[in-house]
Amino acid sequence: DAGVTQSPTHLIKTRGQQVTLRCSPKSGHDTVSWYQQALGQGPQFIFQYYEEEERQRGNFPDRFSGHQFPNYSSELNVNALLLGDSALYLCASSFLGQQVNEQFFGPGTRLTVL
Amino acid sequence: GEDVEQSLFLSVREGDSSVINCTYTDSSSTYLYWYKQEPGAGLQLLTYIFSNMDMKQDQRLTVLLNKKDKHLSLRIADTQTGDSAIYFCAETRRNSGYSTLTFGKGTMLLVSP
Repeated sequence: DAGVTQSPTHLIKTRGQQVTLRCSPKSGHDTVSWYQQALGQGPQFIFQYYEEEERQRGNFPDRFSGHQFPNYSSELNVNALLLGDSALYLCASSFLGQQVNEQFFGPGTRLTVL
Repeated sequence: GEDVEQSLFLSVREGDSSVINCTYTDSSSTYLYWYKQEPGAGLQLLTYIFSNMDMKQDQRLTVLLNKKDKHLSLRIADTQTGDSAIYFCAETRRNSGYSTLTFGKGTMLLVSP
């Protein structure tokens, strides 16, 4: 079991550009959550996908959007990048039917916006 | 308030015990978690505790929960240099049947030989 995988590992973009980050969940998991971790901060919840629909959303603007595919993998899209979007983007997967909500995290994608 | 609070830094010597503290906000949180993050890596779930428990022990880790004060602590016995990392506590927030995690800012643990 490869666990949660994310791609790419690092990315450099300029202001105003758009970016797509990808995540494959752990085998057997059906729910994917995305978090943004700015330098020196804890992860902040962006949104959560289950059955290909956004189920929960944190306090992030509409520039942040996502998608979940039938194989449970997910993408995070950010439009009109700002310098403040520079962060580590973490994907976490879980199984909705599990009471504990044990979320397994991928290694993250480090996004730098210049 | 809305934030999960943690002390930012803890320094201990190898072999000592470490205690990392956290104050959470949502009294309806069913589970509380401790995650570890090593430099340049994602988050690793260390342990969790159900809200109706006061204590949970897992090898060198002991979690204490004071639900009245909304206070959570993680004790690491016989701390090793490999335990140096950032430790995050997180609470579960549920909305319409879906659970998400709210994290503190993290406590950096530095273990010196």
